[in-house]
Parts: sequence; C-alpha cells; structure tokens
Amino acid sequence: QQQVKQSPQSLIVQKGGISIINCAYENTAFDYFPWYQQFPGKGPALLIAIRPDVSEKKEGRFTISFNKSAKQFSLHIMDSQPGDSATYFCAASWNFGNEKLTFGTGTRLTIIP
Amino acid sequence: GAVVSQHPSRVICKSGTSVKIECRSLDFQATTMFWYRQFPKQSLMLMATSNEGSKATYEQGVEKDKFLINHASLTLSTLTVTSAHPEDSSFYICSASLAGGSGELFFGEGSRLTVL
Repeated sequence: QQQVKQSPQSLIVQKGGISIINCAYENTAFDYFPWYQQFPGKGPALLIAIRPDVSEKKEGRFTISFNKSAKQFSLHIMDSQPGDSATYFCAASWNFGNEKLTFGTGTRLTIIP
Repeated sequence: GAVVSQHPSRVICKSGTSVKIECRSLDFQATTMFWYRQFPKQSLMLMATSNEGSKATYEQGVEKDKFLINHASLTLSTLTVTSAHPEDSSFYICSASLAGGSGELFFGEGSRLTVL
C-alpha cells in the first residue's frame, strides 16, 4: 500500500530530446506527488509537484502528467540538457504533503551531446 | 526559498564513537523534520520523524537507541549516531516542512558519515 514504483532505473537521452520517467502508486489516500532532482553528494531538491485535482502541471521544461484512475504519474523533461543529468525521484504523500513522503527507487538520467 | 543547513557535510570517525549531525532551518520555522538515510545509488529511506518538543517517531527497523534524535527548537534537529560501526557509514539527509505551510519539504545538503 505504501510503495511507489519508479521506472526506468536508468535513462540515456540525447541533448534536445524528451526524458520521460514514470511512477505508479498503490495507496489511494496519496494526494501530493512531488518530483525531486538529486546531484551526486547533494540533498534532493524539489522540481515540481502535483495534486490530484489536475491532470497536468508544467513549469518551464518540466511537466508532470497525472492519471488518477491508473494511479500513475510521470515527469517529462523537454529539450533535455547535459545539466539535467542527475538522479530523479518521484514521491507521494497524503494530507497535501504534510505527512511523510514515500520515495520511488530513483532514475539515473544521463543526457548525452 | 527556504534553506535547510546540515552540519557537518562530511565526518569520519572511529568505530565505537558517537557522531552528532545538526539540521537547521535557516529562514523558517519547522515544526516537523525528517531524517533519511541513503546508500549509494539507492533511494532515500525514512528513519524517523521529529516534531519540536516531543519524542521522535521511528520507522520500523530503525534502532531508536542507536539513532538518537532531538528536536529542541523550531529551527534545529539533531541526529546522534551512537557507538558507530562501519555498517552505519552512509549519507544522512534531513528535511523540514514549513510550519503551517503547503507541505513542501526542504532538504539539507546531506552529511556523509564514514566509520573506520
């Protein structure tokens, strides 16, 4: 019930391409779905987050797509750049994020020239 | 944006000693702080939730006598790894949520502990 499944484990995308990372959850009580970006040796930083009342949220090159019926959400990075190379974690929580986060297993993204 | 500071960023200690890691919210008050542990190339594992002025809530399997957490003020939480052993070597990360806020979590930069 508490799991968040993330795929793929690693992803290589050409510069300028679209990076897509997927997550699926089981607990229907989850109502807050953030994505975090982590560089080696650093703590995670919030990229973008969505709540289930909308199906899509866009901030710059980053878009979250949310499918409530399928219990899935995904991160799309448009025009991927080498500086986007990092590990990305999806997460889920309830009470609008005021409770503890359950993290996905992470995706190591590499953008190649 | 809100800043969470962790100190030290790196610490090396001998087996059997205790190590304290501090987590401070620099420009906001945090009623709740979370402590995570992360092994190389793995996800973040929640260790405990600490609320200001009360005892921490530990996740299943986390030894509370080994990982002492204190949240004495709205801006400071500490994690003490007692009698550290090599298997405690890891990356420890804290996060804090804004008091009365939207639920967004702000993470510290992490503390790399190496136990020799």
